[in-house]
Parts: sequence; structure tokens; C-alpha cells
Amino acid sequence: DGGITQSPKYLFRKEGQNVTLSCEQNLNHDAMYWYRQDPGQGLRLIYYSQIVNDFQKGDIAEGYSVSREKKESFPLTVTSAQKNPTAFYLCASSNLRGGTGNQPQHFGDGTRLSIL
Amino acid sequence: QQQVKQSPQSLIVQKGGISIINCAYENTAFDYFPWYQQFPGKGPALLIAIRPDVSEKKEGRFTISFNKSAKQFSLHIMDSQPGDSATYFCAATSTGTASKLTFGTGTRLQVTL
Repeated sequence: DGGITQSPKYLFRKEGQNVTLSCEQNLNHDAMYWYRQDPGQGLRLIYYSQIVNDFQKGDIAEGYSVSREKKESFPLTVTSAQKNPTAFYLCASSNLRGGTGNQPQHFGDGTRLSIL
Repeated sequence: QQQVKQSPQSLIVQKGGISIINCAYENTAFDYFPWYQQFPGKGPALLIAIRPDVSEKKEGRFTISFNKSAKQFSLHIMDSQPGDSATYFCAATSTGTASKLTFGTGTRLQVTL
């Protein structure tokens, strides 16, 4: 089955700790994205990547870091600098081939991060 | 800031009724407008999408109406069913932006029996 796999489903972070959220896709999509979802709010873009070894900040990148060493993988690290990390984190991917920029994003089922 | 404003925040509709969710945008460069459906504990799933060269797109019970001059678009769910109870997000993006989506704040739809 083609899709996006996020793990773990639930994650707990202690104060001062960095945690890494996994996102893997087997859709052969060029672009990958990380969003944060808070109750009653829409999805806000944290980081995105159009190609391996390159990524750009989204609207709320502070306190987060990413890497894109493989086309299939786009892990997100929530650092201790992120003071309010409790949220539902969603990873997505899309196909940019043809350069139209108007390709639908496909989402994983998210990781819920909480503070201990 | 590029915004997409969505209303209402929540909606209760009886089974068989029509659910209507509205969105308005500011950035005239937006040229692709998808709607996503999200169930609790799951990621959003693409429901239907429209480009501004058409005023309406229908897929089954779901219809998008688009008004380019007013910079508004809406989702109509005909013959609403309890299984449609979910949160719906409108979104927008423009060509050349790596498909970065700007999302509305979501509408929680409850379809009652």
C-alpha cells in the first residue's frame, strides 16, 4: 500500500529534552511537509522540503529542526527551545513533477506530542 | 499574512440536509483550492478541489462553488449522512510555491439522525 507512515502515534517529552518524529513515504513524492495542529486551529506549516538535502522554514519553524537525507524520509525534531510543543503533528507529501505547484498533499495519521 | 477565513466554526445538520461551509481568501495569487476531511485521530484526507477557471465542481454529494470576484468558495454536502461527521478544512495555494497550503481554521460538522 502506498502512503505516509508517521511514528510513533503518541510521544511524551520531558522538560529540556529533544524528541524526533518520524515520517516515511512510499509515494515517490518530491515534496514533504510538516504541520502542527492545535485544537480549534487550522494546520500551520513548520518546515517543507522540495528535494533531498534541501528544506525551507514555514510559518512557525522556531524550536524545530528537520533533515531530508533520503527522498522517502523527513524527520522532525522538536527541540527544547520549543516552549509549547504539545500538539498534533502531521506530515504530508506531494508530487511536484511538472512544476505546476498545484498538486494535492497526502497526509499521514499524525503524532500526538505531550509534555510530561 | 496570507489568510483563509473559514466559517462556521461548528455546524449541526440533520440527516438528509445540506451542509454548507464557507471560506474567503485575500491572496489573488491563489490558484488551487482543496477541501480536506479529517476524522478524530487521523490525518486530513483530500475530499475535492477546484481551480479558479471554473465556478463549480461536483463529485458525488460534494460540490465546491467558487466566486473569483468575491474571493470566496464554499463546500456543499448534499444529503448529509452521519458518516460525514468530521472536521472540514478549506485550503489554498498558488503555483510556484511548492504546493504550500494555507489552511482555514476548520469546521466541525455533526450530522444528527
